Amino acid sequence: AQTVTQSQPEMSVQEAETVTLSCTYDTSESDYYLFWYKQPPSRQMILVIRQEAYKQQNATENRFSVNFQKAAKSFSLKISDSQLGDAAMYFCAYRSARTSGSRLTFGEGTQLTVNP
Amino acid sequence: GAGVSQSPRYKVAKRGQDVALRCDPISGHVSLFWYQQALGQGPEFLTYFQNEAQLDKSGLPSDRFFAERPEGSVSTLKIQRTQQEDSAVYLCASSFWDNPLETQYFGPGTRLLVL
Repeated sequence: AQTVTQSQPEMSVQEAETVTLSCTYDTSESDYYLFWYKQPPSRQMILVIRQEAYKQQNATENRFSVNFQKAAKSFSLKISDSQLGDAAMYFCAYRSARTSGSRLTFGEGTQLTVNP
Repeated sequence: GAGVSQSPRYKVAKRGQDVALRCDPISGHVSLFWYQQALGQGPEFLTYFQNEAQLDKSGLPSDRFFAERPEGSVSTLKIQRTQQEDSAVYLCASSFWDNPLETQYFGPGTRLLVL
């Protein structure tokens, strides 16, 4: 079974600064996808960024980028120019590349606080 | 609709009561997932539907949990004889197709409190 670990229960960052959230995972599969989801206090989970394991290039979405290290099974999220609206719980998630009914396996989450 | 909706948003039940939680996925979405999120934890998979077929129910914690999606759209998660350990947020997610790269769109969740 796959597991996802987020070792930072809480992180804080100053507005406009950069912060990196850590995530490691364990799997015996070679083909899979990794995601970062954001969950604001309203609780609606929103996809931030995704990475296909077969791609060596790290994914980037505006101020959000990842550092994907497949051999180390590490998948960190970097938020640049942090904004107050970035404050939320962030979840790292794994999904098998098999086609049918592939569930998301989530980490425990990292609560991000953005200080003005 | 514009997004995944869930009702009720909050539910308080006395231990032993039955509850039913509803999920309205995005129109036309084939795949539907239910997750359980305990306080301070990440969501955990409960069950998966492709249209009306329940293809995976391996995450359901006990036989008190039952889910259905009879017409391939709205889904209901039913919990019988609720216990305090059932207190959690229940999240529903849908995606257009059964492809692992498809984005799962989440609803706001139903917060269940069992007293």
